[in-house]
Amino acid sequence: AQSVTQPDIHITVSEGASLELRCNYSYGATPYLFWYVQSPGQGLQLLLKYFSGDTLVQGIKGFEAEFKRSQSSFNLRKPSVHWSDAAEYFCAVGRNAGNNRKLIWGLGTSLAVNP
Amino acid sequence: DADVTQTPRNRITKTGKRIMLECSQTKGHDRMYWYRQDPGLGLRLIYYSFDVKDINKGEISDGYSVSRQAQAKFSLSLESAIPNQTALYFCATSGRQGPADTQYFGPGTRLTVL
Repeated sequence: AQSVTQPDIHITVSEGASLELRCNYSYGATPYLFWYVQSPGQGLQLLLKYFSGDTLVQGIKGFEAEFKRSQSSFNLRKPSVHWSDAAEYFCAVGRNAGNNRKLIWGLGTSLAVNP
Repeated sequence: DADVTQTPRNRITKTGKRIMLECSQTKGHDRMYWYRQDPGLGLRLIYYSFDVKDINKGEISDGYSVSRQAQAKFSLSLESAIPNQTALYFCATSGRQGPADTQYFGPGTRLTVL
């Protein structure tokens, strides 16, 4: 069965430091991959997505993610974190074939940013 | 104006009451979803609808029902609310670009069942 694992429940970084949030998936074919961000009291906003092509994907707010098929990973990165990046981050996987057209969600990583 | 709206944004109710949460969208999407979010449990799919006549149960549909009144409207009902239905509820929509389209979320409804 498909699954998504975000190994880090909570991460704290200092403002200006680099960030990497991990996402591993279990899926038998090429997946569709998403990263969403949920700011406090807000709904979820799409940061970026990977469907095919270049495995390094650029998103909004200075985020990027790299699809590594050999590692079944889609890690989210940002070179310099801002205080406003404090939020919950969710990785999701979707099927690219068949009738199951839902997303499988990770449990999220909560990011805190120290000044 | 927001593309996906949810009403109410907050609701406190008592055990046994019937509650309806409403979702409207102006994105022109065919697909709509209801999720609940609980701390530590991420997002769990309650129901989803790929068009007005196509409604499907998600992973946690027990205790919930839905109505797709029109392409733009998708309502979630709790027929007899219980305290463990206290959660943050999100509506989402997606288009027809493929089997797993980008989903666009509403701001959420915080429901408390006493």
